[in-house]
Amino acid sequence: NAGVMQNPRHLVRRRGQEARLRCSPMKGHSHVYWYRQLPEEGLKFMVYLQKENIIDESGMPKERFSAEFPKEGPSILRIQQVVRGDSAAYFCASSPAQGRMGTEAFFGQGTRLTVV
Amino acid sequence: DQQVKQNSPSLSVQEGRISILNCDYTNSMFDYFLWYKKYPAEGPTFLISISSIKDKNEDGRFTVFLNKSAKHLSLHIVPSQPGDSAVYFCAASALSGTASKLTFGTGTRLQVTL
Repeated sequence: NAGVMQNPRHLVRRRGQEARLRCSPMKGHSHVYWYRQLPEEGLKFMVYLQKENIIDESGMPKERFSAEFPKEGPSILRIQQVVRGDSAAYFCASSPAQGRMGTEAFFGQGTRLTVV
Repeated sequence: DQQVKQNSPSLSVQEGRISILNCDYTNSMFDYFLWYKKYPAEGPTFLISISSIKDKNEDGRFTVFLNKSAKHLSLHIVPSQPGDSAVYFCAASALSGTASKLTFGTGTRLQVTL
């Protein structure tokens, strides 16, 4: 029973390039959350998605960032025209249904994005 | 505006002793609190949670205490073991918002020494 799978684990992009981060939720989970952890900080909520729907994107920067969770395939967090300040660890979590993130939600190992 | 604060960036405890990790919050709408444990290069792992209708929740060596009037919670680990060495994050959510939207503290690095 595979856990939440994120790929790639490490991603290096030059300033101005695009970054695509993928998250495959646990089997049976239809809710996906993206969090970002900047160096020396806690995780910050970015976006909450269900299949084909964005439920809450209050933590997403207004420009350059977008997320999707299509009917088929993984959830994608896309960052266009990356800047050095986007360098961070991006974590995805999934849960089987809407509700409290507790025992029912699991985090992936994260993607560490480095912008050079 | 840091709504969840963990004021101790690090803590060192001897094996077998009690580890106490503290967390303060400012948003009175928070009603559900969680502790996560994180090893380097891994994602956070859920440890224990508590609802605001309780003041204590226990699970094996881990106990979380909640003091609503002080807006303070703590995680007790007893006895501490070397494998407990990790970064511990306190997190909170509010019923009125997206139930799954967590606000995290900055973490406390626990080192359990032999």
